[in-house]
Amino acid sequence: AQSVTQPDIHITVSEGASLELRCNYSYGATPYLFWYVQSPGQGLQLLLKYFSGDTLVQGIKGFEAEFKRSQSSFNLRKPSVHWSDAAEYFCAVGPYNQGGKLIFGQGTELSVKP
Amino acid sequence: NAGVTQTPKFQVLKTGQSMTLQCAQDMNHNSMYWYRQDPGMGLRLIYYSASEGTTDKGEVPNGYNVSRLNKREFSLRLESAAPSQTSVYFCASTEGGLNTEAFFGQGTRLTVV
Repeated sequence: AQSVTQPDIHITVSEGASLELRCNYSYGATPYLFWYVQSPGQGLQLLLKYFSGDTLVQGIKGFEAEFKRSQSSFNLRKPSVHWSDAAEYFCAVGPYNQGGKLIFGQGTELSVKP
Repeated sequence: NAGVTQTPKFQVLKTGQSMTLQCAQDMNHNSMYWYRQDPGMGLRLIYYSASEGTTDKGEVPNGYNVSRLNKREFSLRLESAAPSQTSVYFCASTEGGLNTEAFFGQGTRLTVV
């Protein structure tokens, strides 16, 4: 079955600390992977995507993610978190030729302590 | 840049009532999608339209119908609303083809009482 798992429902980090959000996927074909961010009451904004090439991808707002095929993982990282990063983060997987037909994880809510 | 626009933003329905959620995109995208978002479940695909004139079921199509009115517009209809359809609904669009990503609207928060 195709699925995306985000093991952490809620994470709290201190401002300035590093962040890693976990994502594991199960997908029958070559995965096209995404991280989206959702601020309260807003739609989803794309942080970064990966299909092929360098397994470390850079995104907006200082985020990066690393694709590890052997672990079926696509973890999101940021070296230093800002208070404005507090939001919900979604990992998603889909077919490379239909980028909107996505399977989403459950989401990870990030809180940032001052 | 408007991007993907959804109307209405909020709606309360009584069980059994019908309504249509509207979605329009101004990016000349070929593909459009409807998702619902429920707490702890992420977003789930209801229906999608790969191109004008085509529609297909997603993961959770029961209780919904869609219409791809033209290239810009993709509507979602609830014929007889049920409390289980209380959710936040998102419309998205993509250019289509290879390696394209989805752009999302702001969402419609629907409550069925």
